Formats: sequence, C-alpha cells, structure tokens
Amino acid sequence: KQEVTQIPAALSVPEGENLVLNCSFTDSAIYNLQWFRQDPGKGLTSLLLIQSSQREQTSGRLNASLDKSSGRSTLYIAASQPGDSATYLCAVRDNYGQNFVFGPGTRLSVLP
Amino acid sequence: DAGVIQSPRHEVTEMGQEVTLRCKPISGHNSLFWYRQTMMRGLELLIYFNNNVPIDDSGMPEDRFSAKMPNASFSTLKIQPSEPRDSAVYFCASSLNEGVYNEQFFGPGTRLTVL
Repeated sequence: KQEVTQIPAALSVPEGENLVLNCSFTDSAIYNLQWFRQDPGKGLTSLLLIQSSQREQTSGRLNASLDKSSGRSTLYIAASQPGDSATYLCAVRDNYGQNFVFGPGTRLSVLP
Repeated sequence: DAGVIQSPRHEVTEMGQEVTLRCKPISGHNSLFWYRQTMMRGLELLIYFNNNVPIDDSGMPEDRFSAKMPNASFSTLKIQPSEPRDSAVYFCASSLNEGVYNEQFFGPGTRLTVL
C-alpha cells in the first residue's frame, strides 16, 4: 500500500528565503506526482504535475523535482513571500488506477 | 470555466439525518473524485468515477455512504444516517483522464458538521 510522508510538518521562514519542501513515497511504481497548495478553509490549488518519466517541472518561482527510484520529490520555492503561506501537499498516483494518495502536508509560514 | 462547483458550502445537521453533497465537475472532464479531509486522517479518497462509472469505492467508510454520477456534469455523495464522526470537509475533484494529462482540479469543499 502506497504511503506518502512530508517533511517538515511545519516551517516558518523570513520573507525572501529560498526553501525546500520534501515528499517521500514508499512504492516507486507511480504514474505521476502532483503538488498542491491549500489555504486555510479553502480547497486545493494545483501547483505542478510531474509525470513519472520527468525529472522536474517549473512554474514561476516554483520548481518540483522527482526521483522516482528513491521515492522522493522536492518542491523548491525561490524568494519566498508572505503570500506563499499555506499548507503544501503532495499526492502520488499509482500505476494501477487513478488513486491519488496524499501526504499530510507541510504548513508554511513566511514572515514579513 | 467556473471550476469544480460544490454545494452546499456548509452543512450542519443532526445525527441520524440524511445528508446529500453535490458536485459539478469541470466541463469536459471525464473523471470525478470524492475526498474527505479531517485533522486526524488528512485527505482520503472515498470513491472515483471514470466516464460516470464508479471505478474504485474501496475508500467509502461504511454502507451509510453512497455516491452516484447520473451524468457527466453531476455527482452526489449521500450519507444516511449521518453520525458525528462524519464531520469533515468533503472535496470533489475532476480531471481529464486522457493519455498523460490527468491533473486534478479541486472544488472549494463542503464543510459538514453533524451534531
């Protein structure tokens, strides 16, 4: 059974710092991996989707990498801003269906 | 596009009552997912549909939960009878399952409180 973990559980940084969020999964037979952002009391907003054949995806200040063999993905946020404060979740889709398994999330606070 | 639409946004009900949550997926998407989010268990997949057909309902917690998708633009999640432990935020998501393109898009959620 696929299990997804995220480290750290919470992170607080001053504005302007570059930071890395980590996602690990136990079964490397994944179809793709998706990073989401969730603001308090809101739904999930898709940030980046990485296919299993890809190594990374970039969107603006965000860069997500995938090392399928080691069961890891990282989300790199450059020049963090207070507006980046949210919970970031990663989800993996396995090869056997459309089941997305979510990690518990990393709660990020960017202090002005 | 308006995105995934869910109603109601908030629902407060008493134990034993029937609850129906509604979802309208993004037009053109052929897959629909129902999730539940709680502090204790995080985000859990309950059931998903592909082309209006339920594919995997192994995440549905009990027989009290049922989901339908009568057409490509509408789905319901019903809880009957509801219990306090069903209190959670329920999300609906949709995707276009075509080749490698299958990014999921989430609705705003329904916050359910069962007293």
